[in-house]
Amino acid sequence: EAGVTQFPSHSVIEKGQTVTLRCDPISGHDNLYWYRRVMGKEIKFLLHFVKESKQDESGMPNNRFLAERTGGTYSTLKVQPAELEDSGVYFCASSQVLGLAGISYNEQFFGPGTRLTVL
Amino acid sequence: AQTVTQSQPEMSVQEAETVTLSCTYDTSENNYYLFWYKQPPSRQMILVIRQEAYKQQNATENRFSVNFQKAAKSFSLKISDSQLGDTAMYFCAFMKRSSGGGSNYKLTFGKGTLLTVNP
Repeated sequence: EAGVTQFPSHSVIEKGQTVTLRCDPISGHDNLYWYRRVMGKEIKFLLHFVKESKQDESGMPNNRFLAERTGGTYSTLKVQPAELEDSGVYFCASSQVLGLAGISYNEQFFGPGTRLTVL
Repeated sequence: AQTVTQSQPEMSVQEAETVTLSCTYDTSENNYYLFWYKQPPSRQMILVIRQEAYKQQNATENRFSVNFQKAAKSFSLKISDSQLGDTAMYFCAFMKRSSGGGSNYKLTFGKGTLLTVNP
């Protein structure tokens, strides 16, 4: 079974340009997450989709970031316009709810990440 | 809000020896999960071990075990018989244990510890 994939693996853009990152979750996983790690800092949560709906977008830094998951399959994260502080590694993860009814634990499977450099 | 602290940015160990990575966390929640993730160089992050806070018994997965001290909010990872393939960035992470639908499964990570296993 294929794991979580992300495209591109690396992206170098100029400040002010637009970049779109893509994440393909494991087939059948309803939950999809975006995280970001800025150099030397923690990996931070950005947002969570359940199928095509945004469950929690409390971690999105500002309105220059737009995430979509049309059809509940793959997701895109667009940064427009990019700023220097947006540089970092963007991780995607997916999961399926497991466990007994009412009590949930879901293992999140991570993609390899997209390394974004804004110059 | 939860915080996770990994106080050791880098560690090294000789092959076949034992090493312990530290992690402390802060939360007002009583029910939660703790995780250790491993990210080898240029590879995807994978789950190493998981601990449910309501379980007193420390989790063990082959050469990996944890020392979970709930009152002290401490969650260290012990790697026995270290192997070269254990060289990786290790992240400690926290997740609230949720019940019911519409739950938020976001992970809160520490900054990571870069472990190098030397031959």
